[in-house]
Amino acid sequence: SAVISQKPSRDICQRGTSLTIQCQVDSQVTMMFWYRQQPGQSLTLIATANQGSEATYESGFVIDKFPISRPNLTFSTLTVSNMSPEDSSIYLCSVWTNEKLFFGSGTQLSVL
Amino acid sequence: EDKVVQSPLSLVVHEGDTVTLNCSYEVTNFRSLLWYKQEKKAPTFLFMLTSSGIEKKSGRLSSILDKKELFSILNITATQTGDSAIYLCAVDVYGNKLVFGAGTILRVKS
Repeated sequence: SAVISQKPSRDICQRGTSLTIQCQVDSQVTMMFWYRQQPGQSLTLIATANQGSEATYESGFVIDKFPISRPNLTFSTLTVSNMSPEDSSIYLCSVWTNEKLFFGSGTQLSVL
Repeated sequence: EDKVVQSPLSLVVHEGDTVTLNCSYEVTNFRSLLWYKQEKKAPTFLFMLTSSGIEKKSGRLSSILDKKELFSILNITATQTGDSAIYLCAVDVYGNKLVFGAGTILRVKS
C-alpha cells in the first residue's frame, strides 16, 4: 500500500478566504485523485491530477474554485478558493496502488 | 447515471452479534467493487471484489460479490466495539473512478 501524507489535518477558515491542502505520496504515481465528503454524505470525486497536464474535473467542480497543482509524481495540492460554509467538508487525496484506491489522512475543513 | 446503494443506512448491535451490510449497484461499466471502513476521516481499504461467488475473508470480516444480481455483502461476525465505523461500498466504473455509496453507520454497543 502507499503511504499518503496530507496536511493540514484540519483548519477553520473565514468565508471568502482560500486554503491549500497538500498531499505527499511515498512513491511515484501517475494520477492522484481528490475527493470531498460533505457532512453526512458519501465521497465525491472532485478531480484527477495528472503530472504535466491540467487536472480533469468532474461535473459540478471547476478549476477556478478548486485549482490543483501537480508539480511532480509524488506531490499535489488542492486549493479551495473563496470559501463559503458549503465548502465545509473532509477533503481526501488518494492514489491507486495494486488496483486498490488508498487515501491520505484527510483534511477536515470548517468555514465560518 | 451510475448508482451505488447501501443498506441499512445505520444499525446498532451488541458486541458478539453478526451483521450483514448490503451494497447494490447499477453502473454502465463494472471493473471492481471495493469496501472501506471509515472511522475518522480517511477510509481504510478492506476488500476488492472482481469475480462473482468468490468470498474474500480477513479475520472476522468477509465479503462476496454477485455480478448477476448486482450486489455485494459485507459480513462481520462476533462484532466488537472497535468495529464501530462507517462502512463504504464503491464501484470502479471507469479509468479508476470510484462511485461511492452513502455508507452504513455501524455502532457496536458493549
